[in-house]
Amino acid sequence: NAGVMQNPRHLVRRRGQEARLRCSPMKGHSHVYWYRQLPEEGLKFMVYLQKENIIDESGMPKERFSAEFPKEGPSILRIQQVVRGDSAAYFCASSPVGVDYGYTFGSGTRLTVV
Amino acid sequence: DQQVKQNSPSLSVQEGRISILNCDYTNSMFDYFLWYKKYPAEGPTFLISISSIKDKNEDGRFTVFLNKSAKHLSLHIVPSQPGDSAVYFCAASVSLDGATNKLIFGTGTLLAVQP
Repeated sequence: NAGVMQNPRHLVRRRGQEARLRCSPMKGHSHVYWYRQLPEEGLKFMVYLQKENIIDESGMPKERFSAEFPKEGPSILRIQQVVRGDSAAYFCASSPVGVDYGYTFGSGTRLTVV
Repeated sequence: DQQVKQNSPSLSVQEGRISILNCDYTNSMFDYFLWYKKYPAEGPTFLISISSIKDKNEDGRFTVFLNKSAKHLSLHIVPSQPGDSAVYFCAASVSLDGATNKLIFGTGTLLAVQP
């Protein structure tokens, strides 16, 4: 039973390009969460999704960032026109239906904007 | 607005001694608290949790204490082992609609256990 799979592990983008980060939740998990860890900071909540629904996007920057979790396929975090300040580790977590406090995290995608 | 605070960025402890990691929070509506452990280049892994209606939860070498009046929780690791060296994140759960929740994390404490 594979855990939460994130890819790519490392992503390098030039300023102005688009970054697409993928997350496949654990089997049986229908809730997906995205967190961002900036250098020297903790994990900041970005967005919470269920299949085809955004439940809470209060942590998402207002511009350039979007997330989806389609009926089929992985969840995608998309960052358009990346800037140096977007460089961070992006972690995806999943949990089963209903309230579950112990999220399972993926290994993260480290985005570097050059 | 940092609702979950870990004021010690790092802690160094001798092997075999007790490690105490602290966490403070501001939102009295948090209903669950968790500790996660993170190694470099890996995702956080769940360690131990405590409901807001409890004041202590123990799992092997790990014990979490909750003081609701002080809005403070702590993680005790005894005895500490070199393999415990990692970043420890405190997290608090806030219910969104009674059926779903999200976790708010602190900034983490880097624990170094010296052999």
